Amino acid sequence: EAEVAQSPRYKITEKSQAVAFWCDPISGHATLYWYRQILGQGPELLVQFQDESVVDDSQLPKDRFSAERLKGVDSTLKIQPAELGDSAMYLCASSAQSDSLRTDTQYFGPGTRLTVL
Amino acid sequence: QKEVEQNSGPLSVPEGAIASLNCTYSDRGSQSFFWYRQYSGKSPELIMFIYSNGDKEDGRFTAQLNKASQYVSLLIRDSQPSDSATYLCAVNGGTGGFKTIFGAGTRLFVKA
Repeated sequence: EAEVAQSPRYKITEKSQAVAFWCDPISGHATLYWYRQILGQGPELLVQFQDESVVDDSQLPKDRFSAERLKGVDSTLKIQPAELGDSAMYLCASSAQSDSLRTDTQYFGPGTRLTVL
Repeated sequence: QKEVEQNSGPLSVPEGAIASLNCTYSDRGSQSFFWYRQYSGKSPELIMFIYSNGDKEDGRFTAQLNKASQYVSLLIRDSQPSDSATYLCAVNGGTGGFKTIFGAGTRLFVKA
């Protein structure tokens, strides 16, 4: 069964350091999402790609976060510099398509648990 | 007002009982509704999606949607201890466009 791959699964870093997360969506899925989930809360969308284009990055803290999906396949999310408040689970999801009336089902990867010390 | 609201729980039910999980949303134009299950420390796993008013059944799970009341629910019949998890309601469409908004989730505990 096809799955969304993410790495690393766990990352511990010190504040002010740079971190990067990688995601490989399900083959053929055009839409890729990065979410942040703080303990006890639901996932919050950081950025959404349709192929290689950003569809929504309104909640991405652009002073420190960046995301790219250069060839429209896998994606990287970077944080520089990391802050204590960035400690969370970072989830990647993908879906086959997204249109103006209905969004296709999103499938999540295992996530990256980030701890900033 | 939160865009997607769920009772945080925990909701505790005995094994074999029906668990009823509820969700309300604020955007009247929302089009797509999803229920995800999330075990502690794991990522969300899709249980069901529903687009139209009424009921949709899949095995022990039934999703119910009432767009007039802006309400969506999930019923779990014959609850098992393995159903103990956090259940996330997610809503898409309307003024939010492509963006999916998740609720904070309801923790369910099924007692053996």
